Amino acid sequence: DAKTTQPTSMDCAEGRAANLPCNHSTISGNEYVYWYRQIHSQGPQYIIHGLKNNETNEMASLIITEDRKSSTLILPHATLRDTAVYYCIVSLSGGYQKVTFGTGTKLQVIP
Amino acid sequence: GAGVSQSPSNKVTEKGKDVELRCDPISGHTALYWYRQSLGQGLEFLIYFQGNSAPDKSGLPSDRFSAERTGGSVSTLTIQRTQQEDSAVYLCASSPQRGRGQETQYFGPGTRLLVL
Repeated sequence: DAKTTQPTSMDCAEGRAANLPCNHSTISGNEYVYWYRQIHSQGPQYIIHGLKNNETNEMASLIITEDRKSSTLILPHATLRDTAVYYCIVSLSGGYQKVTFGTGTKLQVIP
Repeated sequence: GAGVSQSPSNKVTEKGKDVELRCDPISGHTALYWYRQSLGQGLEFLIYFQGNSAPDKSGLPSDRFSAERTGGSVSTLTIQRTQQEDSAVYLCASSPQRGRGQETQYFGPGTRLLVL
């Protein structure tokens, strides 16, 4: 599995866009980028994933660079409930799927 | 529909005792993962089951840890002769793993284990 690198922590003002970066420079062509988040004392929750095109859903947007070596998760209007640890991982499509969750980015949304 | 469930939600045990943690995955999901999360830490991979294939046990920290998955559904993680350092939240996740990006993991709420 490709490794990912994320900042340890970030702050964001409530109502502002939160932009969380992730580097995955060794990603291979058939690996997807997945984002999860973990709110305190809960299990991780899926947010979004993508292969090479930008993706958007009701929770967030995912911007993947053209060379696929990095991506950014965007929460367009952060709320206090978005305070969580955000994990960026890469995962093969199909077949064996052991993935590695790093320590993620601790996002603190500030009132 | 029903998500991943785990039981018990909390478990307090004495050092040296055995414990069993249960995971009920989402129906139809072929892949099942166990992770451990110590306080303030990231997720530590323990074991992975995929269909009828041999499980990947490479993350199990010692031979005191074992897991099985019966009938491709329910999984049990067993810790024998528990130690205080086993105290953590044990998370289970299942995934449909149908390819084409359908590898999303759906996590249960976890079992909080405290070894006294």
